[in-house]
Amino acid sequence: QVHLQESGPRLVKPSETLSLTCIVSGDSISDSRYYWGWVRQPPGRGLEWVASINHSGNTHYNPSLASRVTMSVDTSQSQFSLELTSMTGADTAVYFCARQAWSFTGFGVTPTTFDVWGQGTMITVS
Amino acid sequence: EIVLTQSPGTLSLSPGARATLSCGASHRLTNNYLAWYQQKPGLAPRLLIYDASTRATDIPDRFSGSGSGTDFTLTINRLEPEDFAVYYCQSYAGSVSFGQGTKVEIK
Repeated sequence: QVHLQESGPRLVKPSETLSLTCIVSGDSISDSRYYWGWVRQPPGRGLEWVASINHSGNTHYNPSLASRVTMSVDTSQSQFSLELTSMTGADTAVYFCARQAWSFTGFGVTPTTFDVWGQGTMITVS
Repeated sequence: EIVLTQSPGTLSLSPGARATLSCGASHRLTNNYLAWYQQKPGLAPRLLIYDASTRATDIPDRFSGSGSGTDFTLTINRLEPEDFAVYYCQSYAGSVSFGQGTKVEIK
């Protein structure tokens, strides 16, 4: 049974860079059927997709965050990571990592639905 | 970017009732690439429906999805106590976006 666990600092100062890691267990991060993504949720608000990556390092970023986001994958450690630069109070949120299916669509390879989620980690910018 | 608008914001219903949640897309969704999730307080979302109408693994058949193009519906028949939660739609036609959510609360 696949399990995802986020790790990283709980508090980030304004203008600094957030670095989060998600460790995947119970499944191979190299499974070509999946992407691995980040979704965030500000307190009391809705969900926002941040970015996704596959085992080969192919990435998809939310256009509204793309200038500040970098994802990477380390298959030897079975983990993937998120960096978000120039943090502000608007980036305060619970950050979830999740496994994501993908499909070939008219837009090319398209990450689709999130079927397994980590428990989430609350990140405060202050 | 596709914008998803969910309605109503809050739905107040009694256990045993039927819930009908709507999700409207700003542009037609190719191949009806739309999913629904359930989220309870303090927990991660759970995938319920994908491709507009296909139930995910182990999802009870009282949950059903329908719709096409720009208008989609999640129906929950005979609400159980554990169904009171927030529901989000998500599109994946080219990029990923979520609706703002509908809260289903106990009346």
